Amino acid sequence: EPEVTQTPSHQVTQMGQEVILRCVPISNHLYFYWYRQILGQKVEFLVSFYNNEISEKSEIFDDQFSVERPDGSNFTLKIRSTKLEDSAMYFCASNRDRADEQYFGPGTRLTVT
Amino acid sequence: RKEVEQDPGPFNVPEGATVAFNCTYSNSASQSFFWYRQDCRKEPKLLMSVYSSGNEDGRFTAQLNRASQYISLLIRDSKLSDSATYLCVVSGSSNTGKLIFGQGTTLQVKP
Repeated sequence: EPEVTQTPSHQVTQMGQEVILRCVPISNHLYFYWYRQILGQKVEFLVSFYNNEISEKSEIFDDQFSVERPDGSNFTLKIRSTKLEDSAMYFCASNRDRADEQYFGPGTRLTVT
Repeated sequence: RKEVEQDPGPFNVPEGATVAFNCTYSNSASQSFFWYRQDCRKEPKLLMSVYSSGNEDGRFTAQLNRASQYISLLIRDSKLSDSATYLCVVSGSSNTGKLIFGQGTTLQVKP
C-alpha cells in the first residue's frame, strides 16, 4: 500500500539554526500539507500546497517558514531560524482531492535546544 | 469557543463495553467530517468519514448533526486494540483541504 514517508524521523538542532524537513507524498496525490503537534497538544494545520503554490497558511506559518516541491516527488518544510517553541512533531500529509482522506506520514520529531 | 471541542477523557472501559465520544465544532461552513485515530507518538490515521445520514463500519458508528454542529462516534464491543486517542476532525471553510483537529479523547480498554 502506498504511504507518505518523512525524513529524518528525529532532528535535533540549536536555536537559530535552519532545518529542512522532507516528505515524499503518495505519487498520484495532488494536494500536500504540513501539520505540527506540540507534545501533549492537538494537531495544528500549518500550510496547504497545490499546483506549486501555497493555497492556505495558518498564523503559525510566519516568514520563518517556507515550503517547496523541488522535484516531482519531494515536498519540504524549511524553518529558517528555529526557536525553542518550534519543538514539535511535524506531520506531512497528502491527498488526491482536497475533500478526500488525508494520508499522514510518520512524522519528524524536531527538538530545538 | 474552540473550533473543534472534545471531552479529553480518559475513558477507561472494560473489554466488551460500548463507549461513545462526542464532539462539537464552531464553523457551520465546514463540509467534511472525520474521526481519526492516533496511537501514542504516531501519526493520525483515518478511522472513518462522517456523513449526514450516519454511517457504520463494523463496530464503529458515526453520526453528524449539522444543525447542532455535533459529531459522535460509538464503539461497540471494545477491544484492547481500540486503546488510542480518537480525534474529531473537520474541514476548514476555505476549501483548501485544511483540517481542523480536536484535542482528542483518550480511550483505555482494560481486560
